[in-house]
Amino acid sequence: QKEVEQNSGPLSVPEGAIASLNCTYSDRVSQSFFWYRQYSGKSPELIMSIYSNGDKEDGRFTAQLNKASQYVSLLIRDSQPSDSATYLCAVNMGLTGGGNKLTFGTGTQLKVEL
Amino acid sequence: NAGVTQTPKFQVLKTGQSMTLQCAQDMNHNSMYWYRQDPGMGLRLIYYSASEGTTDKGEVPNGYNVSRLNKREFSLRLESAAPSQTSVYFCASSELVWGGSYEQYFGPGTRLTVT
Repeated sequence: QKEVEQNSGPLSVPEGAIASLNCTYSDRVSQSFFWYRQYSGKSPELIMSIYSNGDKEDGRFTAQLNKASQYVSLLIRDSQPSDSATYLCAVNMGLTGGGNKLTFGTGTQLKVEL
Repeated sequence: NAGVTQTPKFQVLKTGQSMTLQCAQDMNHNSMYWYRQDPGMGLRLIYYSASEGTTDKGEVPNGYNVSRLNKREFSLRLESAAPSQTSVYFCASSELVWGGSYEQYFGPGTRLTVT
């Protein structure tokens, strides 16, 4: 069983729609959760972090965390073609006492169509 | 403020050759990391350094060595390259944020091909 699972997609949404990306994780003690955006041929870019249950909003992005069900999601409102990318879910599986060890999902490819 | 920088951007090696990938950050972060990214496998941690003077193995350390040269620099060495090490390599560094967690920031990557 993978520790962090994402649907690989591609997830296709029309421009202006809400894109919903989901991620489940296996380690109940995980405390920190992150969403990265990665354009083709580029490096991952941190777009959202969430640490407690509930919703966290930042512009068009909303991260949702449910620790009891062990899932974290990312909503992108008013999707734009520039949002077309692969979205990586990352979970902190344990603190190292000065850093954190992230486990990444394999990513969901999002395509926003005109 | 350049963030995390990596050199080289591209490299082609023959099997058995050695090389060192360089990484530097100017954000005064304590922790640094090396990942590899392969299609269908996601990002996997090779080695990390929680602070200057310490290094630890990650998920896939075999065939690699690291050096934390100082607070800014963290290098990854392939002593005898193998085709299985063909990958994209990312360096990252992290800062402590409110709540006790660390947010990682990535460099642009090195695309390595071993023939």
